[in-house]
Order: sequence, then C-alpha cells, then structure tokens
Amino acid sequence: DQQVKQNSPSLSVQEGRISILNCDYTNSMFDYFLWYKKYPAEGPTFLISISSIKDKNEDGRFTVFLNKSAKHLSLHIVPSQPGDSAVYFCAASNVGNEKLTFGTGTRLTIIP
Amino acid sequence: ETGVTQTPRHLVMGMTNKKSLKCEQHLGHNAMYWYKQSAKKPLELMFVYSLEERVENNSVPSRFSPECPNSSHLFLHLHTLQPEDSALYLCASSQDRRNEQFFGPGTRLTVL
Repeated sequence: DQQVKQNSPSLSVQEGRISILNCDYTNSMFDYFLWYKKYPAEGPTFLISISSIKDKNEDGRFTVFLNKSAKHLSLHIVPSQPGDSAVYFCAASNVGNEKLTFGTGTRLTIIP
Repeated sequence: ETGVTQTPRHLVMGMTNKKSLKCEQHLGHNAMYWYKQSAKKPLELMFVYSLEERVENNSVPSRFSPECPNSSHLFLHLHTLQPEDSALYLCASSQDRRNEQFFGPGTRLTVL
C-alpha cells in the first residue's frame, strides 16, 4: 500500500512557464513533507519542506503548497529553467515514526 | 570531501560473493540511513542508525547486514544476494531523525 503517490510519472514544461508537480498521501498522521530533486547518477537533493501547521512555504523560485483536507501537496517552480529538468520526489513523515516515506517520482523536462 | 560519499559507485557481484558498500558523511550528522531504489519503485528505507545504534530495520533479509562503527561511517555488508537485489543503494544522513536528509550518489549494484 503506497502511502505517498505521485500519479504523473513525467511532465514537460516550456522554459519560463510554471511547473506544478503534485503529490497525494493517504496517511493522515503525516505532519512533515519534503521535496527532493534527483539528477542522473546523483543522489536526491533536498529542495524544500513544509510542516503541517503551514499551508505554504516559499524559497526563491520554489513554493510548496499543502492542502491537509485533500491530503495533497504540490510544488510550484516559477519560472522554470532548463536546469530544473530532473526527477522530483515528494516524501512525508509522521510524529512517532520519523522515517521518510517517498513517492515514486515525477520526471520534469523543461523545454528550451 | 564534502557531503555524503559512497564507494564503490558501481558493483557487479555473483550470488556467492561477499562485498561491502561504504558510506561516509562529512556533515557532522548523528543519524545515517540505507535506502534501496529499484526501477519504478519508491525509495525503500532499509536501516536507520541514530547515534550509532540501529533504531530501525524494515524487514530487510539477513543477507544485508549493516554496520555503523561511528557517526561518520556506515557499511552495508552483502552476502549471497539474489538477482532481484540489483538496485541503486543510497546512503543518507541527517541531524536528528526528523530533519532533512542528505543523500550520497548511490552504489549501482548488479547481482548476476
């Protein structure tokens, strides 16, 4: 049973436009969410996180939105740049069990 | 060296071989992790060490044996693996178990 789901395996976006990556979760005990970015032949790199007490967190071009009632989070990248082409993973953890549960990833391709 | 390093980067082994994967973190963190990433599957947490003590073992077969001699080093000893164990093995570290995890580049393991 996959508790963190990224239903879009791939996404293509024009350079300069907004990229929106989505993630759904089923465990209502999750209270901390993270996004990681992975280039080929490298390990995942932490991008941005959000606690369940917030519904938005922004860091430069990256914004994460959390909708607790829908058990949904999204990552917005604006404007998208060619260097953003990578696989993006969302992850979640919950109080009392701090292990991270990952989604399967979405491959983002930015078209110049 | 900075961040999290892993050696070797690639490993091919037979089912009767014994080999070890090494991870070293240069970040002063107190928690280290082993993950397995198989094709089209989420990252699967295998082991967690916090302050050099194993705190989680996610039902991993005994043919995988972790060792954490100090807070900077983590090993994964491999013995009589199966072809289905072929995957990317990622090491990560964090300061405390809730915080963002920093990943190494991974070891691509192929079991023949």
